[in-house]
Amino acid sequence: EAGVVQSPRYKIIEKKQPVAFWCNPISGHNTLYWYRQNLGQGPELLIRYENEEAVDDSQLPKDRFSAERLKGVDSTLKIQPAELGDSAVYLCASSLGQVGTEAFFGQGTRLTVV
Amino acid sequence: KNEVEQSPQNLTAQEGEFITINCSYSVGISALHWLQQHPGGGIVSLFMLSSGKKKHGRLIATINIQEKHSSLHITASHPRDSAVYICAVRSVYGGSQGNLIFGKGTKLSVKP
Repeated sequence: EAGVVQSPRYKIIEKKQPVAFWCNPISGHNTLYWYRQNLGQGPELLIRYENEEAVDDSQLPKDRFSAERLKGVDSTLKIQPAELGDSAVYLCASSLGQVGTEAFFGQGTRLTVV
Repeated sequence: KNEVEQSPQNLTAQEGEFITINCSYSVGISALHWLQQHPGGGIVSLFMLSSGKKKHGRLIATINIQEKHSSLHITASHPRDSAVYICAVRSVYGGSQGNLIFGKGTKLSVKP
């Protein structure tokens, strides 16, 4: 079975342009996470979904970031407009639930804003 | 103070050496994860622990719940073990309940 699939793997855009990332979690995983990882740092949570509901989006910069998880399966994360400081690796992860379940990560999307 | 602290930040070893990476945390947790991240960004889950010790090949992970401390050991290290090793805990309290909280990672380089 495929793991968590993210696309694209790499993206280079000019500042002020929009960008979108896509994540397909492991089949049956109710919980989906989007993380941002800056160079040399650990991942930081942007948003967590339980099925189609965003249960924790407190760290999502809502002025320019948006996310959706239609039908509780695939998810997209969008930035509009992108800023230079948004350059990072954006990681998607999924798990069966919260407590006591293992999280599985995608390969990430490396975004470079120039 | 970060809720998850790892040490060392960087580690260089010779092939064959025994390696230990430490993780201390300050929050109540339901589980602790050790993750491996290679250049390019992808993360692989190595272990999920809630107590005791787990072993997989040359990797051993231990956790002491009372001391809020975990260690990842690599025996007979090899250059292919070179990666960033990240400790993450799943919080059980407050607004972050259920979220994974990550350490900053330990960058390991194993020289041949």
